[in-house]
Amino acid sequence: NAGVTQTPKFQVLKTGQSMTLQCAQDMNHNSMYWYRQDPGMGLRLIYYSASEGTTDKGEVPNGYNVSRLNKREFSLRLESAAPSQTSVYFCASSWATDTQYFGPGTRLTVL
Amino acid sequence: GQQLNQSPQSMFIQEGEDVSMNCTSSSIFNTWLWYKQDPGEGPVLLIALYKAGELTSNGRLTAQFGITRKDSFLNISASIPSDVGIYFCAGANFGNEKLTFGTGTRLTIIP
Repeated sequence: NAGVTQTPKFQVLKTGQSMTLQCAQDMNHNSMYWYRQDPGMGLRLIYYSASEGTTDKGEVPNGYNVSRLNKREFSLRLESAAPSQTSVYFCASSWATDTQYFGPGTRLTVL
Repeated sequence: GQQLNQSPQSMFIQEGEDVSMNCTSSSIFNTWLWYKQDPGEGPVLLIALYKAGELTSNGRLTAQFGITRKDSFLNISASIPSDVGIYFCAGANFGNEKLTFGTGTRLTIIP
């Protein structure tokens, strides 16, 4: 039982490049989330998926797209990376809102 | 988007000291949560509170759900080196899939 896994752990991109961050959970949770964490800003919700086949915008969705591929997997795509997207990205999953389990994070730098 | 205010932003204490931190909001929540984030890791849930006035303990940690529903408090007794990290509060409401996170309190233990 690995919980929530994320790949890659680290990534460096040039401005304008695209990439997809992968997230998978093996806890059979319905809900999955993508957050970004910046110094002094705490965790901000980018997108979430309350169930397979549905996605909704969070607080900071601009510049991102998501796909809930199946119940286990929820990916985050940056179509044209910008330096402002340099951050640490966390995926989380839950049965209910309160018990969110987080992955180890992806550290992204956009040059 | 709304974020919860946590104070203090950072704490420097000696091993064995007690720690107190709090979280305030301009709006009410039905659930208050406290997470801890170790360096380089994702947040881990410490305590969940579901009722105004509720006091809940998890080992040396004690958290309280404020009577007004607009605040919460976390105390750590007899701190040890592994308590180092960032502590986040989060609020949730029934029927809402999203958590609102605080800006975090960074705890450092001075040798």
